[in-house]
Amino acid sequence: RKEVEQDPGPFNVPEGATVAFNCTYSNSASQSFFWYRQDCRKEPKLLMSVYSSGNEDGRFTAQLNRASQYISLLIRDSKLSDSATYLCVVLPQAGNNRKLIWGLGTSLAVNP
Amino acid sequence: ETGVTQSPTHLIKTRGQQVTLRCSSQSGHNTVSWYQQALGQGPQFIFQYYREEENGRGNFPPRFSGLQFPNYSSELNVNALELDDSALYLCASSKTSGATDTQYFGPGTRLTVL
Repeated sequence: RKEVEQDPGPFNVPEGATVAFNCTYSNSASQSFFWYRQDCRKEPKLLMSVYSSGNEDGRFTAQLNRASQYISLLIRDSKLSDSATYLCVVLPQAGNNRKLIWGLGTSLAVNP
Repeated sequence: ETGVTQSPTHLIKTRGQQVTLRCSSQSGHNTVSWYQQALGQGPQFIFQYYREEENGRGNFPPRFSGLQFPNYSSELNVNALELDDSALYLCASSKTSGATDTQYFGPGTRLTVL
């Protein structure tokens, strides 16, 4: 089983749609979780961290389910500019190992 | 923009050659992490440098090596290049090596090995 798994998509949705991505992780001791966004041939950019209580930033909502070992990202009222690849990132454990584990990414295309 | 710069932006090398990639971290950041991203894949952690010392390494062979300088800029060196080393190489800087510190990425260096 991969350490971090995402559905690669692509997800094709119309403008205004709500879309949800899930990501599962294998290490139950994982401590930190993030969603990054990456545009084609560009560097990843942090979209949001994911907290145990869930967090919201405008149209974006991230949730963590530790019992089932998955995190989710919900995008409401999709915009054309949301088209990108969304990468799930997990920090497996505390301590000196700074190795972030990245999923392969989920591709989103928002259509007019 | 993140304030993290990388050079060169593109590079073409042949098998067996050596390459040095450079990264300037964001002002006030003392930690640089390097990643390799092959086409269609997520970034893979190569290593991290904190205050000029290696501070964690991923599953990459010793021919991948690095340096961090007193101004916290960093280099990634790859010896004996192989075709599979063709990828986007990303560096990310963070304020400290803290596990949850946000990493800010540079635009990457796209390396092609022929």
